[in-house]
Parts: sequence; C-alpha cells; structure tokens
Amino acid sequence: QKEVEQNSGPLSVPEGAIASLNCTYSDRGSQSFFWYRQYSGKSPELIMFIYSNGDKEDGRFTAQLNKASQYVSLLIRDSQPSDSATYLCAVDGNNRLAFGKGNQVVVIP
Amino acid sequence: AAGVIQSPRHLIKEKRETATLKCYPIPRHDTVYWYQQGPGQDPQFLISFYEKMQSDKGSIPDRFSAQQFSDYHSELNMSSLELGDSALYFCASSAGQGADIQYFGAGTRLSVL
Repeated sequence: QKEVEQNSGPLSVPEGAIASLNCTYSDRGSQSFFWYRQYSGKSPELIMFIYSNGDKEDGRFTAQLNKASQYVSLLIRDSQPSDSATYLCAVDGNNRLAFGKGNQVVVIP
Repeated sequence: AAGVIQSPRHLIKEKRETATLKCYPIPRHDTVYWYQQGPGQDPQFLISFYEKMQSDKGSIPDRFSAQQFSDYHSELNMSSLELGDSALYFCASSAGQGADIQYFGAGTRLSVL
C-alpha cells in the first residue's frame, strides 16, 4: 500500500463551483500535511499546510485534517480556470515528503 | 523573495554519460532535498542533507551521489545514465529538518537519449 493515497480520477468542475479533493495516509505518526499545486512540467507549489485536527482556511482554500481517520482534504471555493492543475497531497515522514499520485482538476469556464 | 535555484533547467545526455545537477537553497535554509519525478508520476524522494551531512536516503540508485557544500548548495551527480533516468529532478529546501515546509525549485528536466 502506498503511503499516501489519492484515488479520485480527474475532477471537472464548473467555474465558480467547489472542488473537493481527498487524501489518506498510512503512517499514524505523521504530523505534517501539505497540499501542493503542480502545473504540467512545473514544480510543486505549496498552497496549504496543516498540522492540527480540524479546518484551516486561506483565501479560497480550506484544508481539513482528521488524524483519527488518517484523512486530509482540500476544498477549493469559487474555482477559477487558473486552478486547473494537479494537486498533490504530501505527508512529512522522517525528513522526507511522501506524495500521493495527485488529482487533476479541470475548471470549465 | 529569493527562491530555490536549480541549474541547468534542461539537460540532454546520452546513455552511459554523467550529469551534474546543482541546487542553491533559499538563503538561510540549511536543509536540501532531492526528488525525482518521472512522466505521469508523483515526486519520489532521493536524498536529503542537513548542515552539510546526509540526513536521509530514499530510492536513490547507487549510480547517483550527492553532497551539500559549505555554502549549503547541493549537487546531484549521476553516472552511467540510463534511459529510465529521464525525469524532472526537483530540489527543495527548508529551514531545518522535520516538519518544516519544503520549497521547491523549478527543476531540471533530464533527457537521456
């Protein structure tokens, strides 16, 4: 089993709608959780990090963490065409990041 | 603000050649990480350095080596290149080990022909 799982296929959302992305992880000892956005051929860009259970909001982005369920999610409100990208869930473990395979999001104007 | 600088941005090599990738971390960042991302794959951790010492090692082939220098820049040396080494190579830096946030450079695209 991969350390970090992102199982959803490509997600198409209309402009202005909410995009919801989910991620599960296997290591119960993990303490730090990140969402990176990656445009094709570009480097991962950090958009959210969360350390504590609950919600964390930053602009149009909300990260949710549930350590008991080993679950992290990302909500993108008022989706814009510029949000079209691959979103990588990453979990910190022993000085390295373990990434999920990513979710491709396509925002349709 | 200054970011992580990687060079070169693109590199084309023949099989069995060698390549050296360079990474200059964000100023005052003492930890450097290397990741490899194949086509359609997620980034895979290769190796990391903290205060010029190797701190962790991942799925790095024995043909690869890396080091961090006194000015905190790092170099990834790749020998006996294979077709499968073609990938994006990212360097990231952070201000310390552990849970600190990692910031990624623009990457080096290596093509092995």
